[in-house]
Amino acid sequence: KNQVEQSPQSLIILEGKNCTLQCNYTVSPFSNLRWYKQDTGRGPVSLTIMTFSENTKSNGRYTATLDADTKQSSLHITASQLSDSASYICVVILSGTYKYIFGTGTRLKVLA
Amino acid sequence: DADVTQTPRNRITKTGKRIMLECSQTKGHDRMYWYRQDPGLGLRLIYYSFDVKDINKGEISDGYSVSRQAQAKFSLSLESAIPNQTALYFCATSDLSGLAIKPNTGELFFGEGSRLTVL
Repeated sequence: KNQVEQSPQSLIILEGKNCTLQCNYTVSPFSNLRWYKQDTGRGPVSLTIMTFSENTKSNGRYTATLDADTKQSSLHITASQLSDSASYICVVILSGTYKYIFGTGTRLKVLA
Repeated sequence: DADVTQTPRNRITKTGKRIMLECSQTKGHDRMYWYRQDPGLGLRLIYYSFDVKDINKGEISDGYSVSRQAQAKFSLSLESAIPNQTALYFCATSDLSGLAIKPNTGELFFGEGSRLTVL
């Protein structure tokens, strides 16, 4: 069964600290993986895309990694800010059918 | 203006009423989607459309119907709303086209959401 699992479900950190969110997937055949940020009451917005051949990609303070062998991805947030408080959703696209498989997200709260 | 616009943003209705959620996009994308989001369950696909004449059921289509009036417009209807349809609904478009998927395509562009409460 194609599944995307994210951990932790929720996380609270202090402003300025770093954190890492995890995404494990059992999706095949794999096309690419995206991390989305969803602010409360808003639609998700893409942060970064990881293709099969990419290991690491950065977008400002956000760094995503992908290990295609272990089918794991992570999103590392450096020097967190209050505005990072949001849900982070991992989404995998199936090659061929182009179906999107969503994780349930990690809810991050950054405290001052 | 937002690339993907949903109306209404908030709606409270009663059981048995017919509700329509509308979505319009200026992205020029062929593919459009309706998702439902419930706490702890993530986003679930209700219906999707690859073009005006191609409409498909998603994983939770029961109780919903859709209409693709034009490339830019995709509406979701609840013919007879029930309380367990209370949720946050999102319309999205995709930059995928045809059968080819390029390495950096497949991004979903979401609207701001329509919060529906059925009493």
